[in-house]
Amino acid sequence: GDSVTQMEGPVTLSEEAFLTINCTYTATGYPSLFWYVQYPGEGLQLLLKATKADDKGSNKGFEATYRKETTSFHLEKGSVQVSDSAVYFCALNFQGAQKLVFGQGTRLTINP
Amino acid sequence: GAGVSQSPRYKVAKRGQDVALRCDPISGHVSLFWYQQALGQGPEFLTYFQNEAQLDKSGLPSDRFFAERPEGSVSTLKIQRTQQEDSAVYLCASRPRGRLTQYFGPGTRLTVL
Repeated sequence: GDSVTQMEGPVTLSEEAFLTINCTYTATGYPSLFWYVQYPGEGLQLLLKATKADDKGSNKGFEATYRKETTSFHLEKGSVQVSDSAVYFCALNFQGAQKLVFGQGTRLTINP
Repeated sequence: GAGVSQSPRYKVAKRGQDVALRCDPISGHVSLFWYQQALGQGPEFLTYFQNEAQLDKSGLPSDRFFAERPEGSVSTLKIQRTQQEDSAVYLCASRPRGRLTQYFGPGTRLTVL
């Protein structure tokens, strides 16, 4: 079945460091891909999305590119801030199936 | 505008009790989803409604789980005879017609003792 695998956490970085959180997926066909973020004490929020191969989603300095050839959607940010500390979830969705399929999440902590 | 709201935010139940969890979606959103999130894991799909019709309930783990959305707005997830393995955060999400993005509520944390 369809599945999403994320790099295991927790990830701890210093402020202004470069961030990569890996995400790969297994799916038949070409799903839409998402990154959701869960800040402490808050609900899941959409961070960015991409709906077809080679699309780049971006928001708040974060970027991810839909790579069909490697079935990946890695999340990157050039310079992280303390306020980026949160749990990040990669997810996929087929329009026909409606539901989101999530990875296990990666907890990110940024130290000042 | 108001987002998705869920109540209660926290629920403690004794094993064997029945519980009911409520979701108020964003006004006008046609689709509504329920997910279960175990500690340290990603959310897992439970069930999906389009208006009042339950179109997919393939993720409900047992017949103790039941969901309804009788008027196409508020939804209730009911768990009968709760077990310890039901302890989790239950997330509700809604989505407008024709759009991909799901908007999540804050969740209800259920603890079964």
